Amino acid sequence: AIQLTQSPSSLSASVGDRVTITCRASQGISGGVAWYRQKPGKAPQLLIFDASSFPAGVPSRFSGSGSGTDFTLTISSLQPEDFATFYCQQFISPPFTFGPGTKVDI
Amino acid sequence: EVQLVESGGGLVPPGGSLRLSCAASGVTFNKYWMSWVRQVPGKGPEWLANINRDGSGSYSVDSVKGRFTISRDNANNSLFLQMNSLRAEDTAVYFCAREHGSAGDYWGQGTLVTVSS
Repeated sequence: AIQLTQSPSSLSASVGDRVTITCRASQGISGGVAWYRQKPGKAPQLLIFDASSFPAGVPSRFSGSGSGTDFTLTISSLQPEDFATFYCQQFISPPFTFGPGTKVDI
Repeated sequence: EVQLVESGGGLVPPGGSLRLSCAASGVTFNKYWMSWVRQVPGKGPEWLANINRDGSGSYSVDSVKGRFTISRDNANNSLFLQMNSLRAEDTAVYFCAREHGSAGDYWGQGTLVTVSS
């Protein structure tokens, strides 16, 4: 199975900060990466798919990039609702594994 | 509006069985692959299995192969997960999700499964 690692595992930030989270795959996965935000007690919410595309309704402060083995989620200006945990997931080869998560707190 | 609602979770002893359901509304159900994902509280999500549009094919993670079976009933817009030979380590919140593009774009609220004697 393809393994995903994320860095950092946690970070402290303030409202308005620019935040970057990276996801690295154990083998090349082209652009088949999704990013999610999860708040405590809630289901993951899709932010980015296909590495850099975003679904309707996702705020423009979220952006994704990367291909091959290295991917990045950037939040241009952190908002109060972004204090949560972020996960990447690969969708190239089942099982569609998740990364271990990056917790963003104040 | 797309809604996915899981049900069927609860307390079950080790070795027991449970069948989870996911009711879909606001979506043309038979146009999408569907999946099950679980999450141990405090840990990251674990993708378990998915099933194709007509239910003729599926994939699952090795840890549940031979114990868990995913299925669907397109006539009733429902997804299922039959879980047998349950273990303590299967204790988690179980989510169903719609797969669209390369992602799970809609998720249910989850149902808690606790495996304990």
